[in-house]
Amino acid sequence: KAGVTQTPRYLIKTRGQQVTLSCSPISGHRSVSWYQQTPGQGLQFLFEYFSETQRNKGNFPGRFSGRQFSNSRSEMNVSTLELGDSALYLCASSLIGSGAGELFFGEGSRLTVL
Amino acid sequence: SQQGEEDPQALSIQEGENATMNCSYKTSINNLQWYRQNSGRGLVHLILIRSNEREKHSGRLRVTLDTSKKSSSLLITASRAADTASYFCATVIQGAQKLVFGQGTRLTINP
Repeated sequence: KAGVTQTPRYLIKTRGQQVTLSCSPISGHRSVSWYQQTPGQGLQFLFEYFSETQRNKGNFPGRFSGRQFSNSRSEMNVSTLELGDSALYLCASSLIGSGAGELFFGEGSRLTVL
Repeated sequence: SQQGEEDPQALSIQEGENATMNCSYKTSINNLQWYRQNSGRGLVHLILIRSNEREKHSGRLRVTLDTSKKSSSLLITASRAADTASYFCATVIQGAQKLVFGQGTRLTINP
């Protein structure tokens, strides 16, 4: 069974630009969660989608948004990028939802904002 | 703010020794999970222990949970160089449906 796939793996943007990251969960998994990882703040929960509905949201500004499609693939978007948005963005899928069981993580998308 | 805090932040031991990492959390939980991360890559699930369990084993891993002290420990026995990684505890707070991670313990196994 294929694992969680995140694209792109690496990207460089400049301040003010926007970025879209993609996540394909494990086949059959309906839940996709997104995390931001930085050296200073560690792993911070962004949001979770389950069957195309946002089920949970972390404490991030409205510049961070996401969505999930009917095939469970998910995208997250960050608009008006700031230097502090440089991070590893991790996507994780699960069968029945974050919190109920284990999460399966992708390799992450490393975003650098210049 | 983080729900869980790992201790120590960094640990360096010799190959073959046992490694123990601790995690403390603040509020009542449904379950607690441990994950491993190799150098900036994705996290790998190691073990899940529910709030009504006290101990679980998986291969060389042993996890304990003390809900009265709001703490958990992860023991890796007979460590190997391949165990070098960061280890995170993550908790599911009662009433919430999200997994909250601690800051992690950086484990280095010296050959």
